[in-house]
Amino acid sequence: DADVTQTPRNRITKTGKRIMLECSQTKGHDRMYWYRQDPGLGLRLIYYSFDVKDINKGEISDGYSVSRQAQAKFSLSLESAIPNQTALYFCATSDTTSGGWQYFGPGTRLTVL
Amino acid sequence: DQQVKQNSPSLSVQEGRISILNCDYTNSMFDYFLWYKKYPAEGPTFLISISSIKDKNEDGRFTVFLNKSAKHLSLHIVPSQPGDSAVYFCAASRSNDYKLSFGAGTTVTVRA
Repeated sequence: DADVTQTPRNRITKTGKRIMLECSQTKGHDRMYWYRQDPGLGLRLIYYSFDVKDINKGEISDGYSVSRQAQAKFSLSLESAIPNQTALYFCATSDTTSGGWQYFGPGTRLTVL
Repeated sequence: DQQVKQNSPSLSVQEGRISILNCDYTNSMFDYFLWYKKYPAEGPTFLISISSIKDKNEDGRFTVFLNKSAKHLSLHIVPSQPGDSAVYFCAASRSNDYKLSFGAGTTVTVRA
């Protein structure tokens, strides 16, 4: 079984709809992250959480919100999706002993029409 | 403004030859550098890393070189194999927060 899972893997939605992307991990890590990948831009950090009570904005948090429901679960929401949020979204985890070494989920491909 | 730059979007190399991927960074506070490999429909996977106290780290066919004065690092893959065909991301962080800043990626194609 995968250590970091993301659901759904693919989603097509319409402008203005609310969307939630979910991430679960079985690695027991305390830190979790959400990134988006766009062609030519690499991965950019949206939000990160170092424990259940800690939520921090990344470099591109506008238009997104997150919820850390438990140590193992970190959800990303788009309250009102817009076409330029069409991207590949990745969840990642790490712990305090792994330095910058993060483990990534398989990604969610989101298309906003 | 991207703090980590990979200026070559793609690289094609013959099987058995060396692949050299380059990465530049602008933030002098970065002290930990990583390379990730990504296949289609999968998440990035960690490949190799280097701390700023070193200038070279080797793991099998993969070697990362760090030139702090030039704010430049490179990944050497020797010999290149068909399974190395993937997108390679350079990433950097500060050891006090471990948030990663990524480059745009280089797509490597290994030709038979």
